[in-house]
Amino acid sequence: EPEVTQTPSHQVTQMGQEVILRCVPISNHLYFYWYRQILGQKVEFLVSFYNNEISEKSEIFDDQFSVERPDGSNFTLKIRSTKLEDSAMYFCASSLYGTANTEAFFGQGTRLTVV
Amino acid sequence: SQQGEEDPQALSIQEGENATMNCSYKTSINNLQWYRQNSGRGLVHLILIRSNEREKHSGRLRVTLDTSKKSSSLLITASRAADTASYFCATDERVGVGQFYFGTGTSLTVIP
Repeated sequence: EPEVTQTPSHQVTQMGQEVILRCVPISNHLYFYWYRQILGQKVEFLVSFYNNEISEKSEIFDDQFSVERPDGSNFTLKIRSTKLEDSAMYFCASSLYGTANTEAFFGQGTRLTVV
Repeated sequence: SQQGEEDPQALSIQEGENATMNCSYKTSINNLQWYRQNSGRGLVHLILIRSNEREKHSGRLRVTLDTSKKSSSLLITASRAADTASYFCATDERVGVGQFYFGTGTSLTVIP
């Protein structure tokens, strides 16, 4: 069964460093998302991406964050100059159509720990 | 805010019993989805119900949707210890391109 894969599963980084979280969405999907979940809190939307551009982003997704689809398969989230409060589980998701019409499938997540 | 709220926050039942979780949301939606999350793991999609549907079944899962009350319920019948997890509802917005709003989740414990 097709699935969304994320790497790495766990990343530890020093405050101020840049990290890149990688995702391989389901191959025929057109819409891609990043969410995060701080320990014990809600799953929060960061950004959605369609047709090689950001379609929607939350107020969490500030200039520190960027997304890219560098080739036909990968979808990355870059966090520049990480802060302690960026420690969270980051989930990538993809869907065939937009949210109105189809399920979103999530990866297993990358646990980011900023020290 | 579109965010859903699940009720109860925590539920503990014996294996074999049924578990019912509720979700309420605030504005019009196209669909509502239920996800399961095992501790510290990813989100597993369980079921999607569209705004024009009232009930949907998948195996031991039964989901209802009442758009007039802006609420949904997830029923897990004949629960198993492996059903122990957190369950979240996620809604979209009737307008807008693409984000899901997750609720706070119900933590279900099934005691063997």
